[in-house]
Amino acid sequence: DSGVTQTPKHLITATGQRVTLRCSPRSGDLSVYWYQQSLDQGLQFLIQYYNGEERAKGNILERFSAQQFPDLHSELNLSSLELGDSALYFCASSVVAQGGGYTFGSGTRLTVV
Amino acid sequence: GIQVEQSPPDLILQEGANSTLRCNFSDSVNNLQWFHQNPWGQLINLFYIPSGTKQNGRLSATTVATERYSLLYISSSQTTDSGVYFCAVVQADNTGNQFYFGTGTSLTVIP
Repeated sequence: DSGVTQTPKHLITATGQRVTLRCSPRSGDLSVYWYQQSLDQGLQFLIQYYNGEERAKGNILERFSAQQFPDLHSELNLSSLELGDSALYFCASSVVAQGGGYTFGSGTRLTVV
Repeated sequence: GIQVEQSPPDLILQEGANSTLRCNFSDSVNNLQWFHQNPWGQLINLFYIPSGTKQNGRLSATTVATERYSLLYISSSQTTDSGVYFCAVVQADNTGNQFYFGTGTSLTVIP
């Protein structure tokens, strides 16, 4: 157990729907990162939060949004889902905003049908 | 954005052999990390190494930032080393941190 908890582990939903993925960082970590891993795009960075504030933004679609709550857990919201959104979504956490190592959760596998 | 190239794309080793994986990047970076994704899909952080050399057991990594490359060495490989090894770089700009991943080296260690 890495200490980073992601739920749910698997999610199957229909096109056009909206889902929420949840990430609880490792105890003491202030920074949360979201990544998408798909067969055609590989690993992509989506967004980073540090202590509740957005710190960096990568290839995140406008249909996607995220936030980090006061208890430091984070949610990634995916709306108007398309078949191409099917992917593994990873969350990672770290103590600092930049640098150092970080720890990944086990991922949420999203299948859009 | 920064281009991150990893080589070789695929590698098959006999158990006990050594290997070197390479990561080239196209611009100066603030951070470089190596990750291992095991056959079950789990991502594991191996090294945070923006420069210099680090060792952890049978694995070591060296980054030469001025020449824009990093090397990951695996010695006495074991079947549990199989999986995909990713290099990721971070570049800080005025909008924040930007992360770029290589496409990975797929390693298969056969007994």
